Amino acid sequence: GENVEQHPSTLSVQEGDSAVIKCTYSDSASNYFPWYKQELGKRPQLIIDIRSNVGEKKDQRIAVTLNKTAKHFSLHITETQPEDSAVYFCAATLGDSSYKLIFGSGTRLLVRP
Amino acid sequence: DVKVTQSSRYLVKRTGEKVFLECVQDMDHENMFWYRQDPGLGLRLIYFSYDVKMKEKGDIPEGYSVSREKKERFSLILESASTNQTSMYLCASSFDRDRYSNQPQHFGDGTRLSIL
Repeated sequence: GENVEQHPSTLSVQEGDSAVIKCTYSDSASNYFPWYKQELGKRPQLIIDIRSNVGEKKDQRIAVTLNKTAKHFSLHITETQPEDSAVYFCAATLGDSSYKLIFGSGTRLLVRP
Repeated sequence: DVKVTQSSRYLVKRTGEKVFLECVQDMDHENMFWYRQDPGLGLRLIYFSYDVKMKEKGDIPEGYSVSREKKERFSLILESASTNQTSMYLCASSFDRDRYSNQPQHFGDGTRLSIL
């Protein structure tokens, strides 16, 4: 079946450094790619999303890039802060339907003060 | 702000019991979802509903059923709970004017269910 692979599973960076999380998807019809942040004991929260007609999107320290040809998309966090420490999930729609999202397995990001 | 409320944060049940997990959203969303979250596996879709009384199976529906009698409420039912259903269960909802509008999903706080 269709899947989304996410790497790395854990990432440790020094405060102020950048962090990059990468995902690849298998369904060429996928057209919506959200990223969620889940702090310990809390709900996943949408932090940024990108649609297939856009190659890059930025929101302050967070950016997402999409390469449709290679079927991969990445989350970039610059100037990391301790409060960025969390588990991050990427996701992709199954086909062009907005009903079903397939999630990656998650990346645990630790920002060391 | 979207509010998705799950009835319990923690629940302990016994093997063989029928278990109900409730989820309510207050944003008049058409779509509602149930996921389970296990370490290293991400979020896996159990069932979803795109309208009242409508439901579709997700990736791991075995051992579960759902009910959506009202637009704001989506229930997950474990017909006969088993220990391998011990997990974190997350409900989500989204607004779609039509099938292709790609609206984000909003999650509840989750129910940590333990089956003994």
